[in-house]
Formats: sequence, C-alpha cells, structure tokens
Amino acid sequence: NAGVTQTPKFQVLKTGQSMTLQCAQDMNHNSMYWYRQDPGMGLRLIYYSASEGTTDKGEVPNGYNVSRLNKREFSLRLESAAPSQTSVYFCASKISDTQYFGPGTRLTVL
Amino acid sequence: GENVEQHPSTLSVQEGDSAVIKCTYSDSASNYFPWYKQELGKRPQLIIDIRSNVGEKKDQRIAVTLNKTAKHFSLHITETQPEDSAVYFCAAIQAGTALIFGKGTTLSVSS
Repeated sequence: NAGVTQTPKFQVLKTGQSMTLQCAQDMNHNSMYWYRQDPGMGLRLIYYSASEGTTDKGEVPNGYNVSRLNKREFSLRLESAAPSQTSVYFCASKISDTQYFGPGTRLTVL
Repeated sequence: GENVEQHPSTLSVQEGDSAVIKCTYSDSASNYFPWYKQELGKRPQLIIDIRSNVGEKKDQRIAVTLNKTAKHFSLHITETQPEDSAVYFCAAIQAGTALIFGKGTTLSVSS
C-alpha cells in the first residue's frame, strides 16, 4: 500500500500560469481533502470531497478548483496562479474520522 | 463553522521535563479531537486522538485530556526527549465534515 501519493513534489510557476496538483489514495477511502500550509497559519482546508461525485468548499477556496475523478483520485487546479498561492499543499484521505496525509507539494509562484 | 485556537505557539523544555499544549474549539457538535506531529519537511502524522465520550486517553508518554463543558483539550508529553522536537497540531471535527486545525505549536526539547 502506497497510502496517499501526490505529484509533483516541487513546482515553480510564474504568475498567471495554471497547473493541476494530483492526489491518489489506495486505501479505498470515501473522503478526500486538500489543505495548504503556510508558516504560522497551520493547515487550512481548501476543498474536500466527502464521497465520489461530491465536492465542498473549505476555509480558503478562492483561486482553486477541484475534481474528484473517481474514488481514488482528487485533483486541485490553480487556473491563474498568484504569489499568494505559494505554499505547501497536502492532500489527505479519511477512514472513520482518521485522516492520513500525503507527502505534500511545495509550490512557489513567482 | 468550527474554530480551533492553540497555545502556546512555541514551547521550549529541557529533556526529561513535561510539555503541555492546549486547544479550545468553538463548535459544541465537534466530537473527535486528534493530535498530529509534523517533523521538518515531513507530512503530519497522527499521534493520539480522543472522542467526545472519553475524558482522557494515554499512550506511553503522551496523553490527551478533554473537557467538553469548557470546550478545550490538551496534549501532555512526559519525560520529553530530543526526538519529540517537532510542530504539533490539534484539530477538531464534526461527524461527516473535515478536520479544522489549530495553528500549531513548535516544541523544542534541549538536551
């Protein structure tokens, strides 16, 4: 079991560029999440998907879109990247109430 | 929605001392309270959790206490070791929703 995987590990974008962060889990979990982590701000919820076919906004959804492609995969898209989106992005999946995190994607927007 | 406050933001202790981190939550419907440890450059890892029907839970050197009436919960680490140095996050969740995290506590254990 790989658990929760994320690609890429690192990415540098220019302002205005778009990209998609990929997340997959092989634990057959229904719920999946995207968080961003900034120094001193903890982990803030961007979007989540309680089950395949559903998505909901979290605390900081502006500038992002998500797709729950199937039960395994949950992607996060930045349509027009801004420097304020420089962060570490973590994907997670959940069984019962326990969340398991992926290794993270470090994104820098210049 | 839920709001989780965590204190202190930094904590420095000597090896062998105890460390206590406290969190408060706002939503009385929250019923699950995990603690995560994050080492530098790594992902958050669950270290202990507690549900609203329990007042205290222990696992070796770590323990969590919950006061539902006051809406606060705490992490206690005894006999701290240098490898306990990390950022610790508390969180709260209502059933069927997402974890909301505190801002984290950076624990430094010096030998």
